[in-house]
Amino acid sequence: EPEVTQTPSHQVTQMGQEVILRCVPISNHLYFYWYRQILGQKVEFLVSFYNNEISEKSEIFDDQFSVERPDGSNFTLKIRSTKLEDSAMYFCASSEQAVYNEQFFGPGTRLTVL
Amino acid sequence: AQTVTQSQPEMSVQEAETVTLSCTYDTSESDYYLFWYKQPPSRQMILVIRQEAYKQQNATENRFSVNFQKAAKSFSLKISDSQLGDAAMYFCAYRSAFPTSGTYKYIFGTGTRLKVLA
Repeated sequence: EPEVTQTPSHQVTQMGQEVILRCVPISNHLYFYWYRQILGQKVEFLVSFYNNEISEKSEIFDDQFSVERPDGSNFTLKIRSTKLEDSAMYFCASSEQAVYNEQFFGPGTRLTVL
Repeated sequence: AQTVTQSQPEMSVQEAETVTLSCTYDTSESDYYLFWYKQPPSRQMILVIRQEAYKQQNATENRFSVNFQKAAKSFSLKISDSQLGDAAMYFCAYRSAFPTSGTYKYIFGTGTRLKVLA
């Protein structure tokens, strides 16, 4: 059964460094999402992406964040200059359609900013 | 704005017994979807069950069923004949059917960790 994959599973970085989190959505899916979960808190929506552009972004998704689908298979989340408060689990999700289909989630990348 | 609340951070159930996980939500919308996702340790979230708000009938999937009370804005998950493999974090999620923003993002609760005792 197709799955959403994410790499790396764990990323440790120094404050101020750039990180790129990678996701490979299910191949025939058209809608892509990033969520994050700070330890002990809710899973929060960051951004949705469709047709090579951002559909919606949350207040969390400021100018330090960007997303890209560089080659038709990968879907990346870049944090330009990481802060301590960016430490969280980041989940990628994709869906075939928006309305009737559920989202399929990757296993997450745990980002630790020191 | 919509919110989802899971008031039970952790639950335990004896193997073969039944357990109910609670979820309440707040919305002014009439059309929406509700989901329960299961996340085993170090694994991805997988869909357990979904409910369309326009359907009065409660969804069931094998040993999993929901009690959807639209007026009360309650969406609980019942797991019957619990198995060791049911041990996981369970997330309740809300999604608009016709979002004003045009995007079908999920709004999650904080999750309930379910332990299954042998």
